[in-house]
Parts: sequence; structure tokens; C-alpha cells
Amino acid sequence: DGGITQSPKYLFRKEGQNVTLSCEQNLNHDAMYWYRQDPGQGLRLIYYSQIVNDFQKGDIAEGYSVSREKKESFPLTVTSAQKNPTAFYLCASRETGGLPGYTFGSGTRLTVV
Amino acid sequence: KNEVEQSPQNLTAQEGEFITINCSYSVGISALHWLQQHPGGGIVSLFMLSSGKKKHGRLIATINIQEKHSSLHITASHPRDSAVYICAGSYSGGGADGLTFGKGTHLIIQP
Repeated sequence: DGGITQSPKYLFRKEGQNVTLSCEQNLNHDAMYWYRQDPGQGLRLIYYSQIVNDFQKGDIAEGYSVSREKKESFPLTVTSAQKNPTAFYLCASRETGGLPGYTFGSGTRLTVV
Repeated sequence: KNEVEQSPQNLTAQEGEFITINCSYSVGISALHWLQQHPGGGIVSLFMLSSGKKKHGRLIATINIQEKHSSLHITASHPRDSAVYICAGSYSGGGADGLTFGKGTHLIIQP
């Protein structure tokens, strides 16, 4: 079955280290998104990509970087410049054309100690 | 500005009760999503709807486009329904603001 795979589900890192979260989809979706969730807040957009080799900043891009070298992959790197990296991270993808149906990954919970 | 509001923020009910969670949005959407997030964080997509009503098992989602309002109902609630339920609106053209999320409703079903 098609879907989005995020790995790992739980991730622990020491402060000051960069960490990369994986997001892979086999849905042939052009657009992919990264969101961040903090307690008591709605999910907020970090970065998105609508086509291979192109991506755009979302509302809270500072301290993050992404790449889109392949259509099916959209990894997110949380850099040491991100002041509060501990959060839940969600990847999503979207069909293009017609009704905008989104598919969601199951998320990665990152804890920085 | 696109805004999505959910109510209630927290809801505790007894097993078997009929549950309603509400979602309202400020700008016309092309589709509305209902998501379920269990303790530990994993998110599951429950429904995507642009009009009318959808049903899956004990879950029912409705949307009223004119009133900019959607509801998620759970019939014969069970403790395993305990989770955070999130609604999100998608807007025409997708892109950077293609999804606006509500803050979620934390549901607890007591046995």
C-alpha cells in the first residue's frame, strides 16, 4: 500500500548536534511538507517542496534545512541553530491537480537533552 | 488570515457516550481533514471531506460549507478512542498555506 514513512518514531540527541529526520513516500506526490507541533499549539509549517530540487520556507524555517533530490524523499535536518528543537515533527504529501488530498506520516518525536 | 478553531479543547466522557467535536474555519476551504493523534504522537488521517457527510465505523464527519463548520462524532465511545483529534483546512491552490491546523481536542473516554 502507498503511504508516507517517517523514521525513527522517537529520536534523542544531545544539544548542539545536528539531526536528520527521514520522510519517504511512494504515492508519486509532487508536494511534500514538514510541520512542527508543540504542546497546546496547532501544527506549524517548517518547509515545503512542490517539485524536485525546489523547496520553500514555511512559517518557522529558522534553524532547519531540507533537501529534495528525489521525488519520494524529503529529509529535514534540525540544526544546532534551532533554539528549541524538542518537538513532534510531521511529514505530509499532497496530490497535485483536482482535490488537494493530503497524506500524513505518523511523525517523529525528537527530544534534545 | 486562515484560521481554524476547535471546541472543546478538552473533553472527558464515560464509555458509551455520544461524542461531538466541533471545528470552524474563517475562510472558504477546498477540503477539511480530521486527524487522530494517539499518546506517543502517531497521527492517523480519519477523514477528508469537502461536502456532506462521511462515515467509517463508529466515526462520522459532517461539514456545512455555508456555515464554515465541521463536526466529528463518535458513537458508542470506547476508552480506545482516547486521543487528540485535530481538524485542518486545505485551501485552493495548496502551497505554503495549503493546510491550517486547529489546536486539537484532547478526548478521554473513561471506562
